Amino acid sequence: QKEVEQDPGPLSVPEGAIVSLNCTYSNSAFQYFMWYRQYSRKGPELLMYTYSSGNKEDGRFTAQVDKSSKYISLFIRDSQPSDSATYLCAMSAYNYGQNFVFGPGTRLSVLP
Amino acid sequence: DVKVTQSSRYLVKRTGEKVFLECVQDMDHENMFWYRQDPGLGLRLIYFSYDVKMKEKGDIPEGYSVSREKKERFSLILESASTNQTSMYLCASKTGGGYTFGSGTRLTVV
Repeated sequence: QKEVEQDPGPLSVPEGAIVSLNCTYSNSAFQYFMWYRQYSRKGPELLMYTYSSGNKEDGRFTAQVDKSSKYISLFIRDSQPSDSATYLCAMSAYNYGQNFVFGPGTRLSVLP
Repeated sequence: DVKVTQSSRYLVKRTGEKVFLECVQDMDHENMFWYRQDPGLGLRLIYFSYDVKMKEKGDIPEGYSVSREKKERFSLILESASTNQTSMYLCASKTGGGYTFGSGTRLTVV
């Protein structure tokens, strides 16, 4: 079993839909969680950074962590074609850069 | 905003060549990283550095080395390029928050 699992997609949704992207993990020690967006032929850019359980909201994006289920989610409201990208989750037990484990990413297409 | 710049977007090299990938960051971050990204495998850490002249192996260091002579510059070296090193290489720097990545170098070894 991989340490971090993520459905690779592709996930196609119509413009305006609510998108749910998810990662599951096996290491119960993880407590730092990140979501990145990566456009084609670009480097990943940080969307959300959360610590421990709960929700964090930033504009149309909401990150949710359920440590009891070892499950994290990224919700995108009112999705736009510009949201079409690959979304990567990353997580770690410590806030040290070398300890973060990345998921393989989910490809999202938002259709106009 | 922190900027991480990778010197080449695309490179094509021959098997056996020595390859240098350069990365520069402009925010005085101490921590810098080299990852490779392959479909279905996610990002895998090759090497990282906490400070000048300091380096630590990541998960897949075999076939690679690094150099950090100045705080802002972190170089990845493929000692003798092989076809299984064809990949996207991403440099990143980090402080207390998340990583800042460069745009990546797509390396093809033929």
